[in-house]
Formats: sequence, structure tokens, C-alpha cells
Amino acid sequence: DTGVSQDPRHKITKRGQNVTFRCDPISEHNRLYWYRQTLGQGPEFLTYFQNEAQLEKSRLLSDRFSAERPKGSFSTLEIQRTEQGDSAMYLCASSSEVFWEKLFFGSGTQLSVL
Amino acid sequence: KQEVTQIPAALSVPEGENLVLNCSFTDSAIYNLQWFRQDPGKGLTSLLLIQSSQREQTSGRLNASLDKSSGRSTLYIAASQPGDSATYLCAVNNQGGKLIFGQGTELSVKP
Repeated sequence: DTGVSQDPRHKITKRGQNVTFRCDPISEHNRLYWYRQTLGQGPEFLTYFQNEAQLEKSRLLSDRFSAERPKGSFSTLEIQRTEQGDSAMYLCASSSEVFWEKLFFGSGTQLSVL
Repeated sequence: KQEVTQIPAALSVPEGENLVLNCSFTDSAIYNLQWFRQDPGKGLTSLLLIQSSQREQTSGRLNASLDKSSGRSTLYIAASQPGDSATYLCAVNNQGGKLIFGQGTELSVKP
């Protein structure tokens, strides 16, 4: 069990560019979550998958955001035409079907949009 | 709409002191409540999970209580140590795995 892995750890980009983050959940976990955290705030839910199905999306997830989990394993979160307001820590978490309540979080991807 | 509030936002205590962190939530229809620890620039580590039917959970020097009817939870840390310095986040789960977090309490334990 190597935990939830996120890549990259840090990303600096210019406004208007597209960025993509990757999350590798714990191998036997079928649920995967994306959260966003801004400085001084708690994480906010963005979306979650059960296997490859995206079951819920927050209203925070504008049309510029898209998440995929094509084979029910790793997931990607893409932000198109980034804005300065997208600067945040993007956290991924996973949980098993049996113990779905216990989420294991990755270390996050810190995005800075200049 | 569920809202979670944590008080205080920041707390500084001398080493060895016992302390209490507070969390309140507006909708008592929750599945569970969790306390997490977050070190600077890092992800979250789950400390304690209390089911809605439970009143408290303990792990080592940590004790978390839940009063669903009043919409409150406390995290008690006994004999605090400098290594306990971190941000502590409370989160409620009232729909599947979607957690709703408070803003966190930033704890500093001075040697």
C-alpha cells in the first residue's frame, strides 16, 4: 500500500493555459474524489467516481474543468483556460467500497496561475 | 445546506497543556464526522471517525466527541507536544463520500 499518489506536486502556469493533474488511488479502492483547497480554508468537494463512473459533480466544477477515470484506476483533472482564481491545492482521495467512509488523501497538487 | 464552522481559527499553547478544538455543523442529519490533521503544504491524515450513532472515539492522546442533536463535536488533545503543531480539520459526511469541511484550526504547540 503506497497511498494515494498525485502528480505533479507543484504546477506554475500562465493564465489561459491548460493544465492536467493525475491521481493514482490506493490500488484496491474503487472510489476516487477530487477536492480543492484555497489558503486558510478547508477542502471543497469537486467530484467523485465509483470505478469509471463519475457520480457527482459540484457546481464549483465549471465547464473549464473536466475529470476522467477511464479504466477505473487513475484519474486526471484538467483545467482549460486557467484563471488566477484557479490557484489552489487540488487534493485527491480514495476509499474502498466496503469502508467507503474512510477517505485517504494524497499530498495534493499546488497550482499557481500567474 | 450543511455548513461547518471551527473555532478558534488559530491556537497557540505551551507544551504539555491539554486543549480542546471545537466544530459545529448546521444539519444534524449526518452519517459521520471526521477529524483530520494537515501539515503545511501536505494532504490530510484521518485522525478519528465518529459514526452518527456514536458519542466519542479515542486514539492515543486524542479523544473526539459528537453531539448530533446540538450539532457539535470537540477534539480533545491531552498533554500536547510540539509535534502536534498542524491544522486540524473537522468534516461531516451527510451524503455518500462527499465531505463538508470546516475552515480548520491552526494549532501551534510551543516547546
